[in-house]
Amino acid sequence: EVQLVESGGGLVQPGRSLRLSCAASGFTFDDYAMHWVRQVPGKGLEWVSGITWRNGTIGYVDSVKGRFTISRDNAKNSLYLQMNSLRAEDTAFYYCAKSRYSYVQGAFDIWGQGTMVTVSS
Amino acid sequence: DIQMTQSPSSVSASVGDRVTVTCRASQGISTWLAWYQQKPGKAPKLLIYDASSLQSGVPLRFSGSGSGTDFTLTISSLEPEDFATYYCQQANSFPYTFGGGTKVEIK
Repeated sequence: EVQLVESGGGLVQPGRSLRLSCAASGFTFDDYAMHWVRQVPGKGLEWVSGITWRNGTIGYVDSVKGRFTISRDNAKNSLYLQMNSLRAEDTAFYYCAKSRYSYVQGAFDIWGQGTMVTVSS
Repeated sequence: DIQMTQSPSSVSASVGDRVTVTCRASQGISTWLAWYQQKPGKAPKLLIYDASSLQSGVPLRFSGSGSGTDFTLTISSLEPEDFATYYCQQANSFPYTFGGGTKVEIK
């Protein structure tokens, strides 16, 4: 079964760090680009970051540039999001998503169930 | 950044109705446009990719069209399970962006 399972969410104080992980199974992980998407409960979707299959291209939404770092370990079939200097406005469900393709362009055909990140003192 | 303007933001419809949602990109994105369906408490589900290709397992009543800047999602005959929120997304270049969403509600 093709599956993505996120972990690492939780309650964290402003200014602190958190690392999200996404474990992939059921497909050849290193053949595809991977992404993080977040959603404030009750609001719309916001793409956060993406990484192509061989780390050739990495992108971020402006609001997280310099604070978040996406990475992948193809040997472990895992995607990560290191989140530093967290702010209250980073509070959201964070989804891991698989691209249909290995390169930048492409829709997300598989999504994880999401992990909640709450930034609050 | 490419802005995605989706309309309407909500629509009330009945089972059997035809529903159309539109999405406009602030610059050309060829056919790098996707449509997703999301139900409360669930992750989004891919319906249409590359503007008009139906994702495997998605019912034929869903269709997509368009290229460049203007795109459309059509549900030909609403079923009870189609009441949900729909999002368009440009998948042409980083940073990817989503439309604001269209909530399809029961009339």
